[in-house]
Amino acid sequence: DAGVTQSPTHLIKTRGQQVTLRCSPISGHKSVSWYQQVLGQGPQFIFQYYEKEERGRGNFPDRFSARQFPNYSSELNVNALLLGDSALYLCASNRGSREIQYFGPGTRLLVL
Amino acid sequence: DQQVKQNSPSLSVQEGRISILNCDYTNSMFDYFLWYKKYPAEGPTFLISISSIKDKNEDGRFTVFLNKSAKHLSLHIVPSQPGDSAVYFCAASVVDNFNKFYFGSGTKLNVKP
Repeated sequence: DAGVTQSPTHLIKTRGQQVTLRCSPISGHKSVSWYQQVLGQGPQFIFQYYEKEERGRGNFPDRFSARQFPNYSSELNVNALLLGDSALYLCASNRGSREIQYFGPGTRLLVL
Repeated sequence: DQQVKQNSPSLSVQEGRISILNCDYTNSMFDYFLWYKKYPAEGPTFLISISSIKDKNEDGRFTVFLNKSAKHLSLHIVPSQPGDSAVYFCAASVVDNFNKFYFGSGTKLNVKP
């Protein structure tokens, strides 16, 4: 089975722009979570979606939004980019709550 | 709110010896703990987990110990191999309505041949 896939792998944006990151979960997984990993830190939880509904949100501003599609893929949108949004954005999927999360390779975002 | 802490940013061990990676947490409501391994340019890979009803879980060369009274868990790798060189993250979650995991900042393990 294919693992979690994310696109694009790398992205360079300028301050104030908007970005959309994409994630395809492992087949059969209905839950997708998004994490931000800043250099030198562990992943920080942003969102979790299960069956197309938002089930959890971390301590991130409203500039961050996400959605999940009927095929369980997901998008993370970040508006009005700041330099501090530069990070590795990780997507993880699992079958449901409390199950082991499987991570994709991440999208590395650089904001200039 | 750094609820999961890994106070050692790096650890160097000789091949064949034991590697012990430590993790402390502050939230007594955490009841499920995991260790992930991360290589450069890859996402974290699940290694081993433990529920709060246990104090030890083994999987091959990897053993996780949980001390609930001390709010401390550790990962033991025996024997350590050069291929184990990676960044190790511990993560914890609480029983609630969603699947939010709190991660530590990671420990970079270097196993020397």
